[in-house]
Amino acid sequence: EAQVTQNPRYLITVTGKKLTVTCSQNMNHEYMSWYRQDPGLGLRQIYYSMNVEVTDKGDVPEGYKVSRKEKRNFPLILESPSPNQTSLYFCASTPLAGDNEQFFGPGTRLTVL
Amino acid sequence: AQSVAQPEDQVNVAEGNPLTVKCTYSVSGNPYLFWYVQYPNRGLQFLLKYITGDNLVKGSYGFEAEFNKSQTSFHLKKPSALVSDSALYFCAVRAFGSGYALNFGKGTSLLVTP
Repeated sequence: EAQVTQNPRYLITVTGKKLTVTCSQNMNHEYMSWYRQDPGLGLRQIYYSMNVEVTDKGDVPEGYKVSRKEKRNFPLILESPSPNQTSLYFCASTPLAGDNEQFFGPGTRLTVL
Repeated sequence: AQSVAQPEDQVNVAEGNPLTVKCTYSVSGNPYLFWYVQYPNRGLQFLLKYITGDNLVKGSYGFEAEFNKSQTSFHLKKPSALVSDSALYFCAVRAFGSGYALNFGKGTSLLVTP
């Protein structure tokens, strides 16, 4: 089944404790992206990647890092989480060829205490 | 810059009645427009998109949307609402040639009552 997977689905952590949210897609998509969803704000892009070893900032990159060492994986790293990063996070992917929609993972609900 | 606006935080409709969820957009150039639906505790599911061609786009689960260039709108519609359509709906846009990032609206919560 073609899908985007994220782990963990739920995470409660404390301020300053480094964490990584994994994202993997099995559709051989070049483009991958991270969004955060906050009530009343919709989804905002954090980082994106056009291909392996190519990443760039989205609209709200502060406090986040990403890496793209393999085509299928695009982990989101919070090196020193803060309470304002409490949010619902979505990973998405899409092929570069054609005018395709983005495929979204199931989401990761992160709470930073 | 590109953006979408969803003017209604919530839309209430009785089962069996037609529903409309509104979206207006602002882009420089030709827009690519999308509708996604989010059910509770689930990710975003793609419903339909407008890239070019017919202004009336048909999508999943009986939904359709009409692209109106003069009014810069892309309203989501369904002729007969179901209780199971109750969810959060997002409109999104990206401009041709601007990359692949989607700009999302704030979302509209649809409640269909029996």
